[in-house]
Amino acid sequence: LAKTTQPISMDSYEGQEVNITCSHNNIATNDYITWYQQFPSQGPRFIIQGYKTKVTNEVASLFIPADRKSSTLSLPRVSLSDTAVYYCLVGSGTYKYIFGTGTRLKVLA
Amino acid sequence: EPEVTQTPSHQVTQMGQEVILRCVPISNHLYFYWYRQILGQKVEFLVSFYNNEISEKSEIFDDQFSVERPDGSNFTLKIRSTKLEDSAMYFCASSVPGGDSGNTIYFGEGSWLTVV
Repeated sequence: LAKTTQPISMDSYEGQEVNITCSHNNIATNDYITWYQQFPSQGPRFIIQGYKTKVTNEVASLFIPADRKSSTLSLPRVSLSDTAVYYCLVGSGTYKYIFGTGTRLKVLA
Repeated sequence: EPEVTQTPSHQVTQMGQEVILRCVPISNHLYFYWYRQILGQKVEFLVSFYNNEISEKSEIFDDQFSVERPDGSNFTLKIRSTKLEDSAMYFCASSVPGGDSGNTIYFGEGSWLTVV
């Protein structure tokens, strides 16, 4: 099973770029890496997904090194509304995706 | 944008009662999931479902739980004989794997279950 490890919490200031790294040493060959954002009392919301190298969309970038044993979610110019818990997910077995403890990001004014 | 919808948003039930949580997955999705999140804790996998069968389940998903796709649109989670420790937010999710992307799972907003 692909277990993920993330920092428990991070603080940042508005306007800064935030990078959250996830370690997944035993990722399987076919696994994709997906990041979710969760606000209190809401469902996890899909942010971005990648397999290798770099992926960018309108809200974030995802950097994955060649060995794929880690990944970094980059949030450009965060705002107060980006305060949330961020999870990285890696496929575990056949459609059994396990959430880690996530990273609690706090954006300060 | 298509979304996963869940009902009820909040349910309070007496200990020992049966509860059914309902979900309407995104229409062209083929895989369905239930997760739960106890207040202040991480999101926990319960079960995945494909082609009218359970694909994977966790150790939490014991005989107290069951899932069903009673028609072409709904996906339900039944909890029999509820216990206090079943109080949690239950999330339904769905996905359609394949193509150039991995199996992206989309979550509903959750059903908050309170057992008293």
